[in-house]
Amino acid sequence: GENVEQHPSTLSVQEGDSAVIKCTYSDSASNYFPWYKQELGKRPQLIIDIRSNVGEKKDQRIAVTLNKTAKHFSLHITETQPEDSAVYFCAASNQAGTALIFGKGTTLSVSS
Amino acid sequence: NAGVTQTPKFRILKIGQSMTLQCTQDMNHNYMYWYRQDPGMGLKLIYYSVGAGITDKGEVPNGYNVSRSTTEDFPLRLELAAPSQTSVYFCASSYVTSGGVEQFFGPGTRLTVL
Repeated sequence: GENVEQHPSTLSVQEGDSAVIKCTYSDSASNYFPWYKQELGKRPQLIIDIRSNVGEKKDQRIAVTLNKTAKHFSLHITETQPEDSAVYFCAASNQAGTALIFGKGTTLSVSS
Repeated sequence: NAGVTQTPKFRILKIGQSMTLQCTQDMNHNYMYWYRQDPGMGLKLIYYSVGAGITDKGEVPNGYNVSRSTTEDFPLRLELAAPSQTSVYFCASSYVTSGGVEQFFGPGTRLTVL
């Protein structure tokens, strides 16, 4: 089955810096890669996703890149702000929609 | 729309007790899921359902049961609760697009087994 590895587990940056979180997956059949943000005590919420037919997607300060050959994808946050502090999860699934397999999460801390 | 709702928000069980975690969605999603999240960990899939009357096991199904009699409801049953089942449980639902699956999560149920 699918296995998703996520790095780093913790990331501390200064306000205004960029943050990059990387994930690798094992199942070449996976073709949907979402990123979720989870604030303390809250539910995970989708912030951006990418399909396997796209190499990069951007939404304001957030971007995701996908390298299908290497089976890895990354989340890039530019001009970080204190409200970006949260746990970020990557995930992978196939088009059948059976389930998302999540990475273990990255705790991002943005200090002002 | 209320989205995905879960009850209760918190619960403390004694070892060996049973309980049902309730999950309801009002978005007419066919797919529903149950995850557990242990401290400092990602979400692990327990069970999922692709429609009323259809359920399947996920990564960590042992100790749990589910049923899906309607599109809206997907309860999770814990039989003979054990300390290892102490966790936060999230229910989710989704609609399937041409390129993938977008899931919406409920607020979670924090369960402690003592």
